[in-house]
This record gives sequence, structure tokens and C-alpha cells, in this order.
Amino acid sequence: QKEVEQDPGPLSVPEGAIVSLNCTYSNSAFQYFMWYRQYSRKGPELLMYTYSSGNKEDGRFTAQVDKSSKYISLFIRDSQPSDSATYLCALTDSWGKLQFGAGTQVVVTP
Amino acid sequence: DVKVTQSSRYLVKRTGEKVFLECVQDMDHENMFWYRQDPGLGLRLIYFSYDVKMKEKGDIPEGYSVSREKKERFSLILESASTNQTSMYLCASEGQGGNGYTFGSGTRLTVV
Repeated sequence: QKEVEQDPGPLSVPEGAIVSLNCTYSNSAFQYFMWYRQYSRKGPELLMYTYSSGNKEDGRFTAQVDKSSKYISLFIRDSQPSDSATYLCALTDSWGKLQFGAGTQVVVTP
Repeated sequence: DVKVTQSSRYLVKRTGEKVFLECVQDMDHENMFWYRQDPGLGLRLIYFSYDVKMKEKGDIPEGYSVSREKKERFSLILESASTNQTSMYLCASEGQGGNGYTFGSGTRLTVV
């Protein structure tokens, strides 16, 4: 069983809709929680970073962490075609190394 | 902004060749990483380094080696390329305080 599970999608939504992405994890020692966005033929770029349970907002993006359920989410409000990308969750283990989810492909249609 | 530069975007090599993938970062980061990314498998850690001349095996080190002679440069070496090493290779760096990795744009390697 993978330590970090993420549905690969693709997830297709109309422009303006809310995009909801999720990851579950099995190791309660994970300490830091991140979301990366990866456009086609590019490297991942850090989108959101949090270390505590609860919500963190940055513009149209909200990251949510529920440590008791071992569940993290990313919400994108008012989605745009430019949000079409693969979104990867990433969690830092006790050694400080990142464990990545497989990534969810998101397609926002105009 | 931190910049991580990978020397080649696309590379085609023959089976059995020795392949060097170069990565340079310009923000004096201590930590550097090599991943490969394959459809359905996500990112898998090959090797990482926390300091000059220091290297640690990741999850899939077989068939690979690395070199870190200078702080800003981390090289991935495929000693004898094989077709199952066809993949997207991503280099990343991170400062001592954490706060996430910065990735390069990747090298898409095809071994024929």
C-alpha cells in the first residue's frame, strides 16, 4: 500500500466551478503538507504549504488538513482554464523527505 | 526566485551508453534531489544529497549513481542506460529551513 494515495483523475470541470482535490495518507508521522502544480512538460511548482490541521487560504486556493482522519484537500474557487494542470500532494516524513501522491490531472473547460 | 536548471530538456541515448544529467541551483541550497516521474507511478526518489560530497539512496537507486562535488551542482549518472530508464527526470533543491522543494523543468530521457 502506498503511503500517500491520490486519485489520478482526470477531473474535468467547467470554468468557474470549484475544483476539489484530495489525498489520504497512512503514516501519522507526516508533519508538513504541500500541494504542487505541474503544467505539461514542466517541473512541479509549490502552490500551498501548511503544517497544522485546519484551513489555509491563498487567493482562490484553500488547503485543508485533517490530521485525525489523515486527509488533505485542495480547493480551487472560480476555476480558470489556466488552472488546467496536474496537482500533486506532498507530505514530509520524519526524515524530512517528501512523499508525493501520484497527482490528479485537472481540466477546466471554457 | 530560486532557479534550478537542468542542462537538457530532451535527450535520446542508446542502450548501454553512460548518461549524465546535470542540475544546477543558484540559491545556495544544501539539499538536492533527483526524481523520476512516470505515468501512474508519480514521482519516485532516486538519490538525494544534504551536503557536498554526500549522497543518500532514495527509493529506486538501482542503475543510477550521483555526484555532488560542488554545492550548487548535483549530477545523476546512468552507468549503462537501459530502455526501462526512459522517463522524465526531475531535479529539486531545498534550503536548510525546509519550506518545500524547487524543481527544475525536467529532462525527458528516451533510451532506444
